[in-house]
Amino acid sequence: QKEVEQNSGPLSVPEGAIASLNCTYSDRGSQSFFWYRQYSGKSPELIMFIYSNGDKEDGRFTAQLNKASQYVSLLIRDSQPSDSATYLCAVLRTSNDYKLSFGAGTTVTVRA
Amino acid sequence: DAGVTQSPTHLIKTRGQQVTLRCSPKSGHDTVSWYQQALGQGPQFIFQYYEEEERQRGNFPDRFSGHQFPNYSSELNVNALLLGDSALYLCASSLSGKQYFGPGTRLTVT
Repeated sequence: QKEVEQNSGPLSVPEGAIASLNCTYSDRGSQSFFWYRQYSGKSPELIMFIYSNGDKEDGRFTAQLNKASQYVSLLIRDSQPSDSATYLCAVLRTSNDYKLSFGAGTTVTVRA
Repeated sequence: DAGVTQSPTHLIKTRGQQVTLRCSPKSGHDTVSWYQQALGQGPQFIFQYYEEEERQRGNFPDRFSGHQFPNYSSELNVNALLLGDSALYLCASSLSGKQYFGPGTRLTVT
């Protein structure tokens, strides 16, 4: 079983719609969760992080965490063509584990 | 405020050679991690340096080694290069658990 799993996509959404990305993780003790955006040929950029169950909103982005279901999601509202990228889910397991474990990423394409 | 910087941007090496990649962390960050990202995959953790010591290591062979200097900058060394070492090598600096990536070094082994 992979540590972090994401739907590979591609996910195609029309401009202005909501893009919903999902991520599951295997280690129930995981504590910190991150979403990175990676444009083609570029490095990952941190866009959201969440530590507690529930929702966290930042502009058009909302991260949702459900530790009981070992599930974290990212919603992108009012999707724009500039949101077209690969979104990577990353998990930090415990306070003594410094390794970010990444999913393979979900590629999002926003259609104008 | 300068972000994470890496050099070189691109590198082409021959199988069997050795390579050194360099990273300078964000101002105020004292921890540096290195990741390898193959095409179409998420980054894979190589190791992390803190206070000039390797604090944690991923599942990479001993051909991969590193160093952190007193100014917190870091080097990644790879010996006896294999074709499979071709990848994007990412450095991330961190403070309080959040890791910020540099632009990466694209290594091609021929």
